[in-house]
Amino acid sequence: GQNIDQPTEMTATEGAIVQINCTYQTSGFNGLFWYQQHAGEAPTFLSYNVLDGLEEKGRFSSFLSRSKGYSYLLLKELQMKDSASYLCAVRANQAGTALIFGKGTTLSVSS
Amino acid sequence: EAGVTQSPTHLIKTRGQQATLRCSPISGHTSVYWYQQALGLGLQFLLWYDEGEERNRGNFPPRFSGRQFPNYSSELNVNALELEDSALYLCASSYRLAGVYEQYFGPGTRLTVT
Repeated sequence: GQNIDQPTEMTATEGAIVQINCTYQTSGFNGLFWYQQHAGEAPTFLSYNVLDGLEEKGRFSSFLSRSKGYSYLLLKELQMKDSASYLCAVRANQAGTALIFGKGTTLSVSS
Repeated sequence: EAGVTQSPTHLIKTRGQQATLRCSPISGHTSVYWYQQALGLGLQFLLWYDEGEERNRGNFPPRFSGRQFPNYSSELNVNALELEDSALYLCASSYRLAGVYEQYFGPGTRLTVT
């Protein structure tokens, strides 16, 4: 079956660093995506990994280990506006097919 | 560039009725995906349309159906509504070609079944 696991909730303080982990077991693998979703809004794309290693984009970085079925999203210099749900998603087959999403990690950033 | 648009924003129906949800993709995108986001659950894949054809569907009953029009806009129909169909329905679009083509999501339609 297809399974994507991530923690349900995390809390952190402004200025801190937080790492959100994601493990996956899927029938195939053709890329892992991270999306951010603020309450009541649509998910917005954050990052994409298809090869092992770290992808850095400003305050956000994403890491992938295909052999371990593992990814993490690293958020640095946290801001209040980073309070949101972070969704890990895997594209299991060829490009263009649907994404399999985890249930999301709700991050609360406090001052 | 306009993003993915969905209508209506909110929809209230009673059990047994039919609901029609609409989605317009980003210009140039040929693929449209429908997802259901129920409370406490992650996004669940419903349907994928590309070039007017249904390419794949998720683990949902046949009363969930849809179509894609020549202009690549799409419609999701839910027949014989049940209470558990209450959810946020998200539409996403992307290019069909191989590569790093992330899906762009619309704001969603909140369906409430009473």
